[in-house]
Amino acid sequence: SQTIHQWPATLVQPVGSPLSLECTVEGTSNPNLYWYRQAAGRGLQLLFYSVGIGQISSEVPQNLSASRPQDRQFILSSKKLLLSDSGFYLCAWSVKVTYEQYFGPGTRLTVT
Amino acid sequence: QQQVKQSPQSLIVQKGGIPIINCAYENTAFDYFPWYQQFPGKGPALLIAIRPDVSEKKEGRFTISFNKSAKQFSLHIMDSQPGDSATYFCAASTSQNTGFQKLVFGTGTRLLVSP
Repeated sequence: SQTIHQWPATLVQPVGSPLSLECTVEGTSNPNLYWYRQAAGRGLQLLFYSVGIGQISSEVPQNLSASRPQDRQFILSSKKLLLSDSGFYLCAWSVKVTYEQYFGPGTRLTVT
Repeated sequence: QQQVKQSPQSLIVQKGGIPIINCAYENTAFDYFPWYQQFPGKGPALLIAIRPDVSEKKEGRFTISFNKSAKQFSLHIMDSQPGDSATYFCAASTSQNTGFQKLVFGTGTRLLVSP
């Protein structure tokens, strides 16, 4: 069966510090991968998606970037965090040509 | 046109009641409508989904009703239990024949089922 991991689970970082969040998927090959952000009490905003290694599409211009160095690994990064980057970051995966997306457990980021 | 409007924002029902959450969309290209359940501090879990070629789908106590002409769909939870207390999100997607699915989410409904 497929599983998705995210780490760390929680993170507190000062403004201006770098960020690296990691997501890995097990049990499937060549998945579509997604990064979402969820602000407190709000819906999910798609940040980036990837259909293959090295292929990244950005949905919202911002202080963040994404990379996919391996087939089942998706990384969300920032060089300098802003207060507005605080939120709950969710990674998701889907099999190509199907519709179902499955979410990871999330990373709670607080920028102080 | 890419929005999915969800209501109500919050809902309180007694145990055994039938909460109903509604969503509306504008983009007629949407062809997949899932519902997600999210508990505090957890990632959303896919609950049930429907395609526009059917008007209703049931999975256990959860039912989606779909009205293509009105561009609306709703989630019904039969015999609701306190364990159903969570935030529910509707979403919509179109594959656009690209093999990539972009989900557009509603803003969520916080459901509380009282004992």
